[in-house]
Amino acid sequence: DGGITQSPKYLFRKEGQNVTLSCEQNLNHDAMYWYRQDPGQGLRLIYYSQIVNDFQKGDIAEGYSVSREKKESFPLTVTSAQKNPTAFYLCASSQADSYNEQFFGPGTRLTVL
Amino acid sequence: GQSLEQPSEVTAVEGAIVQINCTYQTSGFYGLSWYQQHDGGAPTFLSYNALDGLEETGRFSSFLSRSDSYGYLLLQELQMKDSASYFCAVRDISGGSYIPTFGRGTSLIVHP
Repeated sequence: DGGITQSPKYLFRKEGQNVTLSCEQNLNHDAMYWYRQDPGQGLRLIYYSQIVNDFQKGDIAEGYSVSREKKESFPLTVTSAQKNPTAFYLCASSQADSYNEQFFGPGTRLTVL
Repeated sequence: GQSLEQPSEVTAVEGAIVQINCTYQTSGFYGLSWYQQHDGGAPTFLSYNALDGLEETGRFSSFLSRSDSYGYLLLQELQMKDSASYFCAVRDISGGSYIPTFGRGTSLIVHP
């Protein structure tokens, strides 16, 4: 079955630590995205990638970093520079960035202790 | 920049019809999409409108008026399982990239 997976589902981090969230897709999609969702808020775009080895900042990229070394994988690192990292993180993919239908992973809930 | 406005909450009873509105402001418009998200779950794609008019998919329909920068999602024959958050989303074209932006979401509560 094709799909998009994220791990772990729940993640706890101490203040000052970097943490990497995994996102893998086997849909053969070119475009991948990372969103942050806070209670009562919509999805805010952190980073997106149209193609391997290329990515662009979204609206709230500060304190985050990404890589796109493989088509299937788009990991997100939450760095210690992110002042309020506790949130629900969603990864998505689409066939190309011009395609409107995005497929979402199940999300990772990050809590900073 | 882009912005989308949608009501924060809508309530209805089972079997009823409900309309969730979305108004948007973008510098370049490339279609309006709708997503459904149940509590704690992942958003799932419902519909997309690039042109004016109504698109129907089963109990759900979506409408777009580009001249009014307005769209809505219409849910008919409401069921309890339709209780969820609904997000409208647009894509803007900037520097050759299609940048997605989501609204804050509308929480739909369906009562028996």
